[in-house]
Amino acid sequence: DTGVSQDPRHKITKRGQNVTFRCDPISEHNRLYWYRQTLGQGPEFLTYFQNEAQLEKSRLLSDRFSAERPKGSFSTLEIQRTEQGDSAMYLCASSLVTSGEYSEQFFGPGTRLTVL
Amino acid sequence: GQQLNQSPQSMFIQEGEDVSMNCTSSSIFNTWLWYKQDPGEGPVLLIALYKAGELTSNGRLTAQFGITRKDSFLNISASIPSDVGIYFCAGQLGDNDMRFGAGTRLTVKP
Repeated sequence: DTGVSQDPRHKITKRGQNVTFRCDPISEHNRLYWYRQTLGQGPEFLTYFQNEAQLEKSRLLSDRFSAERPKGSFSTLEIQRTEQGDSAMYLCASSLVTSGEYSEQFFGPGTRLTVL
Repeated sequence: GQQLNQSPQSMFIQEGEDVSMNCTSSSIFNTWLWYKQDPGEGPVLLIALYKAGELTSNGRLTAQFGITRKDSFLNISASIPSDVGIYFCAGQLGDNDMRFGAGTRLTVKP
């Protein structure tokens, strides 16, 4: 399978704990995006990387959230001191951007986080 | 929060019926997209629209990019059971920031 993969698929944690999610994009894709999706809503943009550079962060991304893409391939999203409001599906997407035109984002299956 | 208003929120239809859903925004977008999401999976792109007024088909799906660049609709003809899922519209202004609607949940009764 050469699609976007995410690990773990499900995570249950207690409030106050730290969690880290991993995303492996489609090979050779230079852009990687993180989204959050709560129940009954569409995905909301969190941040994106162009290769290893983090180029934009949404206001939704509080100081407790940090994302990295150290070698321009896989990415990690860490949430520190989790809160119940962090419970959501965290989606990763990747795309190959070669010019200023739109390029399709391919989504992974997501990591569902439940904070007790 | 969401900037796109998507309607209806849910639809219950009989197999074989046609379906129509739409999306409106107070902001203009350069690209409109329609996605389908199955339970436990990420969204999958169905149709992308790049120009105001554009009408595009993909099999039984037809979508249009509104002339004002602030709206779009998606039609599904002759629905089948596997059309069940949540359909999202999305608007994109630049080449990175995509805004999604809240989704239309479609149920198809055999």
